[in-house]
Amino acid sequence: GAVVSQHPSWVICKSGTSVKIECRSLDFQATTMFWYRQFPKQSLMLMATSNEGSKATYEQGVEKDKFLINHASLTLSTLTVTSAHPEDSSFYICSASGDTNEKLFFGSGTQLSVL
Amino acid sequence: ILNVEQSPQSLHVQEGDSTNFTCSFPSSNFYALHWYRWETAKSPEALFVMTLNGDEKKKGRISATLNTKEGYSYLYIKGSQPEDSATYLCAFTDSGYALNFGKGTSLLVTP
Repeated sequence: GAVVSQHPSWVICKSGTSVKIECRSLDFQATTMFWYRQFPKQSLMLMATSNEGSKATYEQGVEKDKFLINHASLTLSTLTVTSAHPEDSSFYICSASGDTNEKLFFGSGTQLSVL
Repeated sequence: ILNVEQSPQSLHVQEGDSTNFTCSFPSSNFYALHWYRWETAKSPEALFVMTLNGDEKKKGRISATLNTKEGYSYLYIKGSQPEDSATYLCAFTDSGYALNFGKGTSLLVTP
């Protein structure tokens, strides 16, 4: 099956710093990539949807200036958490698809801890 | 945000038992229902994408049914094995793209 690689798997950073998370589709072209966030004991919550070459669409309540998403190619999307604060500590996971109603292929997630 | 509920929250069965979980979702504006299996420290893996009312899908010992009119889907595992231990997620979409996930059912199968 298709593989999505996500790095890093975990990161610890100081409050106020920025953290970049990469999501790569290794063996297919991802027309659309999705970024989700999961807090403990909660469901995966969609943060934003990005299509290659265009601006990401953010879900209500997600600050676009804080969570910068870049989808510059059909195989790479990045999420940058700018000026991270402890409340941004969460599990972030990306997924990719080629078309509507296709199953999603997920990265393995990134556990972010902001001190 | 579209409400997707899964039950039970967790389940502990013995090897060889058959089990099933429920996913309920909004019955209006249905587009598709996804099931994923998520093992600890791995990526969620797609099991099924279901689009038609009455649809039934099967993959080995795992099968799923779909009722879009009443807004529920069942996932069945026949003869559970320890390697089936994982969290099973369902996700609903009314657009074909963005998925709304339930919290998952955590299954533990002990020998």
